[in-house]
Amino acid sequence: SQQGEEDPQALSIQEGENATMNCSYKTSINNLQWYRQNSGRGLVHLILIRSNEREKHSGRLRVTLDTSKKSSSLLITASRAADTASYFCATDARGNTPLVFGKGTRLSVIA
Amino acid sequence: GAGVSQSPRYKVAKRGQDVALRCDPISGHVSLFWYQQALGQGPEFLTYFQNEAQLDKSGLPSDRFFAERPEGSVSTLKIQRTQQEDSAVYLCASSSTSGKGYTFGSGTRLTVV
Repeated sequence: SQQGEEDPQALSIQEGENATMNCSYKTSINNLQWYRQNSGRGLVHLILIRSNEREKHSGRLRVTLDTSKKSSSLLITASRAADTASYFCATDARGNTPLVFGKGTRLSVIA
Repeated sequence: GAGVSQSPRYKVAKRGQDVALRCDPISGHVSLFWYQQALGQGPEFLTYFQNEAQLDKSGLPSDRFFAERPEGSVSTLKIQRTQQEDSAVYLCASSSTSGKGYTFGSGTRLTVV
């Protein structure tokens, strides 16, 4: 079963625009992570935000976490064609448990 | 090694055949995870090792699936009597400690015909 639900399922934007993806989850978490997957490849870890954090930045990425609403958002600013990929959120429940992934958002950035 | 290595990259198996998928994690990474990813879906958890101990195998879909990591390094996922519904990408990931990001391999794409 998959705990996270990303929204939207697919997103198409022009190069230079910002892309926002949302993730909702069901149970209490230790941390929430975002991953990127290019077609036919493995997942690449982008950023981790802990349950006691509300916002985190890494380069052009900004992640927010609202534990009261059990939701997170990933913002990619000034998008590039190379950002075209699927983006997944994954949650780590309290304790030593494996990550549970959502179904992903397919982002297409058009040059 | 520098990353997580999986082999083979692609595997075509006839229905009923047994297959073995290999994962070579990052040296020193204690935790190793196997996931199954169907087309257009997110990765689904299969099983998890901490060193050589298999701590969670709740995601294995049937008793045809078996995983091992006998020396706490390389892991093998074995699928016996493959069925068409086993067709998927099998991803391996490793992590140095709990609560950290995972490093994924490129996966093995299994096609059962």
